[in-house]
Amino acid sequence: DAGVTQSPTHLIKTRGQQVTLRCSPKSGHDTVSWYQQALGQGPQFIFQYYEEEERQRGNFPDRFSGHQFPNYSSELNVNALLLGDSALYLCASRPSGRDLTGELFFGEGSRLTVL
Amino acid sequence: AQKVTQAQTEISVVEKEDVTLDCVYETRDTTYYLFWYKQPPSGELVFLIRRNSFDEQNEISGRYSWNFQKSTSSFNFTITASQVVDSAVYFCALSEPAAGNMLTFGGGTRLMVKP
Repeated sequence: DAGVTQSPTHLIKTRGQQVTLRCSPKSGHDTVSWYQQALGQGPQFIFQYYEEEERQRGNFPDRFSGHQFPNYSSELNVNALLLGDSALYLCASRPSGRDLTGELFFGEGSRLTVL
Repeated sequence: AQKVTQAQTEISVVEKEDVTLDCVYETRDTTYYLFWYKQPPSGELVFLIRRNSFDEQNEISGRYSWNFQKSTSSFNFTITASQVVDSAVYFCALSEPAAGNMLTFGGGTRLMVKP
């Protein structure tokens, strides 16, 4: 049973460019969340998707957008990249039918470096 | 607003020593959930435990134990007889159903267990 998978694992971009990160949730999960983890800090919530809609959003600018597909996979897009966007981007999933306060399953993340 | 503080940024112990990781939280809600996650070098966040605000009973799982005290807003994590494989970054996190159940993480504590 595959867990949460993310791609790419590492990537390097330059300021002003755009990036797309991808996530496949754990089998049986239909709710996907994205977190940003800057070096040496704890993860920060970006947004959550369920039924192909953004349901919740953290304190991130509109440059950060996402999408969820009918197969529950998700993309995170960041436009007009800034140096401060360099971070590990973590995707997490959970099944919606369960207690929403239960365990989140995380992927290994996509490490973005902006030069 | 919810907040989680992990005052210890880095702890170094020798194998077989006991170690306690501190976590202090702030919340205005009476219903909330507390979590501990482990982040090994691979980057993936591994779920360790969840406690709800109505259950202050301490929990033990093998060498791991957790002490939840609402009076001091603390949820501390103790590893008994530490092992080199325990070396990782540990995060305490809080979620509030009223705020949509997103996780708010502390800054993490890096634990280094030396042989």
